[in-house]
Amino acid sequence: AQSVAQPEDQVNVAEGNPLTVKCTYSVSGNPYLFWYVQYPNRGLQFLLKYITGDNLVKGSYGFEAEFNKSQTSFHLKKPSALVSDSALYFCAVRDDGNTGKLIFGQGTTLQVKP
Amino acid sequence: DGGITQSPKYLFRKEGQNVTLSCEQNLNHDAMYWYRQDPGQGLRLIYYSQIVNDFQKGDIAEGYSVSREKKESFPLTVTSAQKNPTAFYLCASGTGDHGTEAFFGQGTRLTVV
Repeated sequence: AQSVAQPEDQVNVAEGNPLTVKCTYSVSGNPYLFWYVQYPNRGLQFLLKYITGDNLVKGSYGFEAEFNKSQTSFHLKKPSALVSDSALYFCAVRDDGNTGKLIFGQGTTLQVKP
Repeated sequence: DGGITQSPKYLFRKEGQNVTLSCEQNLNHDAMYWYRQDPGQGLRLIYYSQIVNDFQKGDIAEGYSVSREKKESFPLTVTSAQKNPTAFYLCASGTGDHGTEAFFGQGTRLTVV
């Protein structure tokens, strides 16, 4: 069965420092991977996705993610964190059936301190 | 202005009542989804629909019902059979293709009083 794990409940980083939010996945076929961000009491906003091709994917707001097939990981990164990046981040994998369902990790709270 | 709209933003329900959450999209998406969000548990799929007049149970469908009479609408009813309905409910839509992202509404926070 498809699954996604985000091993850290919270990540703390100082403003201006690089950040990494970790995600590992388990799929039976080709992975279709997504990152979303959620601000308090709001819906999820799409950040970026990996479908195929280059292992480094660039997305919105300066975020990028590195796909690593051998480690089954899809970590979210940003070279220089902003206080406004503080939010809840979700990694997701597309279900391998034809339903289009997304399977989400538990979420990681990113706290960026000034 | 294209998007997906959920209403109401906040909803209070008395014990034993059914309530219906609205979800409308004008993105011409075939697929629509309802997720429930609880702290520390991520998002769990309640129901999904890939086409009008058809829908499927997700992982936690008990105590919920849906309809899909129109392409743009996918309302969720939280019935009195749902034992712990207090949560944040998110509706999403998408093309259903593997490589395309889903779009989410702003959510409805349901509280049982």
